[in-house]
Amino acid sequence: GAVVSQHPSWVICKSGTSVKIECRSLDFQATTMFWYRQFPKQSLMLMATSNEGSKATYEQGVEKDKFLINHASLTLSTLTVTSAHPEDSSFYICSARGVRGGKPLHFGNGTRLTVT
Amino acid sequence: GQQVMQIPQYQHVQEGEDFTTYCNSSTTLSNIQWYKQRPGGHPVFLIQLVKSGEVKKQKRLTFQFGEAKKNSSLHITATQTTDVGTYFCARLQGGSEKLVFGKGTKLTVNP
Repeated sequence: GAVVSQHPSWVICKSGTSVKIECRSLDFQATTMFWYRQFPKQSLMLMATSNEGSKATYEQGVEKDKFLINHASLTLSTLTVTSAHPEDSSFYICSARGVRGGKPLHFGNGTRLTVT
Repeated sequence: GQQVMQIPQYQHVQEGEDFTTYCNSSTTLSNIQWYKQRPGGHPVFLIQLVKSGEVKKQKRLTFQFGEAKKNSSLHITATQTTDVGTYFCARLQGGSEKLVFGKGTKLTVNP
């Protein structure tokens, strides 16, 4: 079945540095990918919608200058957490759907970010 | 988008007991999806319901969509330790592909 690969699985970085997370659709093309954030013991909250070849659409309250999203190809979207702070520590998960639509969304394995 | 309300937040059961989690919405839902997230893992799609009164079964799991399409439930018969995890319901936000998740129900099963 369709697979979404996310890298890295976990990362520890120092406060003030930037971290890039990759989300790849392995056997299908994804015009749209979604980035979620999940804090411990909480639900997934949509951060932004990544659109191939155009600017991402951010949810209310999500800083677009802090969470840079690039969707340069039909199989790759990247999320860069810039100037990370401890409060950015979270589980970041991407998801994607094939160009032909249909269900379901396929989720990546997630990236656990810890900012020290 | 309006979040679906999910209860209970936690459920502890003995292995072999049944388990049910409920999702409710104040507005009519076009569809409801259910996901399972194992500890430390990512959400895995279980099923989507779109029809009023729909009932679908997957082995020991039974999914229902209410007649008014405002509520849904997931019922697990005779739980096993492999059922542990957090079960989320989610809805597609009005005409878009954005998923809005419920808060989830964390299930623990005592062997």
